Amino acid sequence: GAVVSQHPSWVICKSGTSVKIECRSLDFQATTMFWYRQFPKQSLMLMATSNEGSKATYEQGVEKDKFLINHASLTLSTLTVTSAHPEDSSFYICSAAIRDGNQPQHFGDGTRLSIL
Amino acid sequence: KQEVTQIPAALSVPEGENLVLNCSFTDSAIYNLQWFRQDPGKGLTSLLLIQSSQREQTSGRLNASLDKSSGRSTLYIAASQPGDSATYLCAVRGASGTYKYIFGTGTRLKVLA
Repeated sequence: GAVVSQHPSWVICKSGTSVKIECRSLDFQATTMFWYRQFPKQSLMLMATSNEGSKATYEQGVEKDKFLINHASLTLSTLTVTSAHPEDSSFYICSAAIRDGNQPQHFGDGTRLSIL
Repeated sequence: KQEVTQIPAALSVPEGENLVLNCSFTDSAIYNLQWFRQDPGKGLTSLLLIQSSQREQTSGRLNASLDKSSGRSTLYIAASQPGDSATYLCAVRGASGTYKYIFGTGTRLKVLA
């Protein structure tokens, strides 16, 4: 089946550091990728939708300059948390979808980000 | 604005019981609905996807139904096992052409041996 690989799975860094998270579709071409944020014991909140070769569409309340998204190829999207602060600590999950909307979204295993 | 709610928020049952998890959504104009499983600290595993034109989908011990007009879906788990313990999330995709999913609040299930 379709596999989405997310890296790293866990990162701890100091406040002020920028952190890049990668999301790769390993065996299919993902025209659209999604980035979600999940706080403890809460559901997933969509941050942005990323389409290959175009600018990401951000959800209301999500800072574009804070969370930089790049979808340079059909198999890779990256999320960079710039100048991270403790309040950015969270679980970040990506998903990938083939253009055919009848196909389910496939999720990565998530990245746990802890900012000290 | 689409809102998705899941009841109950948490459930603890003895092994072997048949379970029903509920998902309700406020806007019936959906393209499809998907049920996921999430283990602690992990990503999501897709369980079942129901298109808006379908009434139900089955996979093994799992059966998901969809009543679009009333804005409800149920996930039925037969003969529950301790390995079924996880958080179950439903998510709906709108019919407006977007691929975006709105997630429910989740049901944390614990099956006791």
